Order: sequence, then C-alpha cells, then structure tokens
Amino acid sequence: AQKVTQAQTEISVVEKEDVTLDCVYETRDTTYYLFWYKQPPSGELVFLIRRNSFDEQNEISGRYSWNFQKSTSSFNFTITASQVVDSAVYFCALSEPSGYALNFGKGTSLLVTP
Amino acid sequence: AAGVIQSPRHLIKEKRETATLKCYPIPRHDTVYWYQQGPGQDPQFLISFYEKMQSDKGSIPDRFSAQQFSDYHSELNMSSLELGDSALYFCASSPQPEQFFGPGTRLTVL
Repeated sequence: AQKVTQAQTEISVVEKEDVTLDCVYETRDTTYYLFWYKQPPSGELVFLIRRNSFDEQNEISGRYSWNFQKSTSSFNFTITASQVVDSAVYFCALSEPSGYALNFGKGTSLLVTP
Repeated sequence: AAGVIQSPRHLIKEKRETATLKCYPIPRHDTVYWYQQGPGQDPQFLISFYEKMQSDKGSIPDRFSAQQFSDYHSELNMSSLELGDSALYFCASSPQPEQFFGPGTRLTVL
C-alpha cells in the first residue's frame, strides 16, 4: 500500500502565483520522518526539508513553507510568489526507523510559466 | 561541501549484459542507499548498507547485487540486463535520517 499520497499529478501556475503541493502519509510508527525533494528537469534529487514526527512546528525558508499536521497526516508544501526556476517534480517522502529507506509519493509536476 | 559521487553518469548496455554502478558517499556518512527511478516514476528503494553490512532490502531483483567496501564506497552489480532495467539509479549517502542523493546514473538497455 502506498504510504505517501500526492494527489496532484500536475500543477500549472503563472509566475508570482502562490502554489501549495499536498502530501498525505500513512504510518503505524509513532516516530517517523517526512521529507520533500525537488527534481528539476536535469534529474538530480535535491533535499528541501525534513520534519520529525514529534515536531509539528511549521517552517519557512525564503519563499518556501511547510505545514505539518499530524491530525490529518498531512505535510503540505507552499511556494510563495512562484518563479520559472521552481518548475520541477516535487516528491514527498516518508521514512521510518526500521531502516530509514525513503517511501516516495508519485510526485507532483509543477510548471511555472512566465 | 563534498557531495555524493556516482559513476558512470551514463551507461548504455545490451540485453543480457552486465553493468556495475559505483557510488562514493559523502565523507563520514555511514549509510548508503540505492534507488531505481523508472521513466515518469518515483524512486524505488533497492538496498542499503550501514557500516559495510547490508541493513535493509527493498524491491531489488535477484539479478542485482550490491556491496559496500572498506572505504565506504558501494557498487551495484546488475546482471542479465533487461529492457525494463532502463532507469535512473540513485545512490544516497546518509548520516540518518537525512539522505543526500548523488546525480544518478542513467542506464539504458538496448
């Protein structure tokens, strides 16, 4: 069963719009870790953020912000004032202490047009 | 800062051939993970090593094997290659729980 669900397959926005990428996860562990990775057209996987299950504090980094809500098992990612360079596939992932292997969602392809 | 190094970056093989992919983790990272990403797919975990011992196994085919050496570099060996093995293969280096990915090796099987 898929442990991470990214319901949005593709999103297209115009530059300077705000956009939120949704991520819903499923786990039986009380300790777990959530991640977001960016994969631009060049193909590399770029680490963006990690959140621990015991830390629900939201985080902001420049134009990026993350909203972690354990009550709804969600870890959503918002890009404010999007730019063309934000165009990429964004993956949400979950890891559990039994090995820490990443379980990725299917990814959301974001296209930002001028 | 040093990053994860993978070689080769691109590899073209014929069906039924073998391939060896190499990964050099970030210094002092004790764990290495291998992932396979098919076209348009999400990365799938194959196998991991902690301190040179296999620590976890995912959806790695029996035709594939891997090991981590004394200098912590890792190699993924793939035999009897099939068309479906064409993918981007990532190595990730980890102090746990974070994982930092290499640039990937793009394997094309003809």
